[in-house]
Amino acid sequence: QVQLVQSGAEVKKPGSSVMVSCKASGDTFNKYVFNWVRQAPGQGLEWMGRIIPILAVTDYAQILQGRVTITADKSTSTAFMELSALRSEDTAVYYCARGDNSMAPFDHWGQGTLVTVSS
Amino acid sequence: DIQMTQSPSTLSASVGDRVTITCRASQSIGIWLAWYQQKPGRAPKLLISKASTLESGVTSRFSGSGSGTEFTLTISSLQPDDFATYYCQQYKSYLSFGQGTKLEIK
Repeated sequence: QVQLVQSGAEVKKPGSSVMVSCKASGDTFNKYVFNWVRQAPGQGLEWMGRIIPILAVTDYAQILQGRVTITADKSTSTAFMELSALRSEDTAVYYCARGDNSMAPFDHWGQGTLVTVSS
Repeated sequence: DIQMTQSPSTLSASVGDRVTITCRASQSIGIWLAWYQQKPGRAPKLLISKASTLESGVTSRFSGSGSGTEFTLTISSLQPDDFATYYCQQYKSYLSFGQGTKLEIK
């Protein structure tokens, strides 16, 4: 069955960067779109961006433009999200989520990765 | 950017009740709308896509309707497992979520 397994929790200092990985199994990696969504404590869901691995095309939420970079390694079926210039407001659970294409909702999600930004 | 607004933010109901959650888009999104259920400490689960298409394995107590800018999620005969937070999501132009509706036990 399809599984998205994310890397473990991180604690980071303000101003630093964090990279979260999402390894996919159970289906052909290149067929899908991989999105990143975050959720601050007690808050709602915020879409951050996506990558279409087969095209190496990315889109980012305007509010995060310049700070977020999404990449994919097709050889290991892994998507990555790097967020730079971290601030306390970036403390959140970060999820990867798969869509069939760029006009599709997310049918599979990773388990989430807690990133805590604290001095 | 397309803004999604859900109402109410919190909904108190009892087992067996029928409840409706509304989601409005700031511009027309056709039927490119999904509904998710999220329980504490868990990733969201896709319930409905294309405004009214129930995902495989999702109970028929959930139903969705609407098009354009106004959409609803209805849960008939609430069960204990249904108490959770629900989010709408548009995927017509990039992606955006509503702020969520927390369904609580009355």
